Amino acid sequence: GAVVSQHPSWVICKSGTSVKIECRSLDFQATTMFWYRQFPKQSLMLMATSNEGSKATYEQGVEKDKFLINHASLTLSTLTVTSAHPEDSSFYICSASGLGQGVTYEQYFGPGTRLTVT
Amino acid sequence: QKEVEQDPGPLSVPEGAIVSLNCTYSNSAFQYFMWYRQYSRKGPELLMYTYSSGNKEDGRFTAQVDKSSKYISLFIRDSQPSDSATYLCAMSVGGANNLFFGTGTRLTVIP
Repeated sequence: GAVVSQHPSWVICKSGTSVKIECRSLDFQATTMFWYRQFPKQSLMLMATSNEGSKATYEQGVEKDKFLINHASLTLSTLTVTSAHPEDSSFYICSASGLGQGVTYEQYFGPGTRLTVT
Repeated sequence: QKEVEQDPGPLSVPEGAIVSLNCTYSNSAFQYFMWYRQYSRKGPELLMYTYSSGNKEDGRFTAQVDKSSKYISLFIRDSQPSDSATYLCAMSVGGANNLFFGTGTRLTVIP
């Protein structure tokens, strides 16, 4: 149990375009989802936390108009990077916590999405 | 001062060695302590989850928490090349939310 998927696993886009990343909890209900960003050889940096049906809470320094988060259901959250620029190139990882058989209140991470903006 | 400090390594050990990975922290309110393993270009995978002080063992892995010293450790016995990864410690005050991560220690187990 406690599987989290992300799609796509790798995306390349041109500067100025928008990219949407999906995060799904496959076998449990994710009451809370988290979005992280990770630069090479660095740790995870929390970008925002979202609860199903509510607006996301963004960490200080993260532009909410640039990184749009939608947590529309208990199994799906999306992160849209709007007007992407090369400095947005990074590894984006989602995680989820919630309820389900065999699931405890830890964060379960997705496999990550590598975004490259050219 | 960072909330969580972790030596980034890299750490290289021969196959079969005992590996010791450590983190220190400054917030005495932390009660939940976790170790994650992250392979290159993959998401972190939860290895061990400990509440408060004490030891927890799972196969070749042992997690220790010393709250008096604000120090946690992960021991890997009989290390294998497949253990080569980055190990991240994480901790929180109240469960799954608001995790504070260490920078991760990159481990390589040499066959």
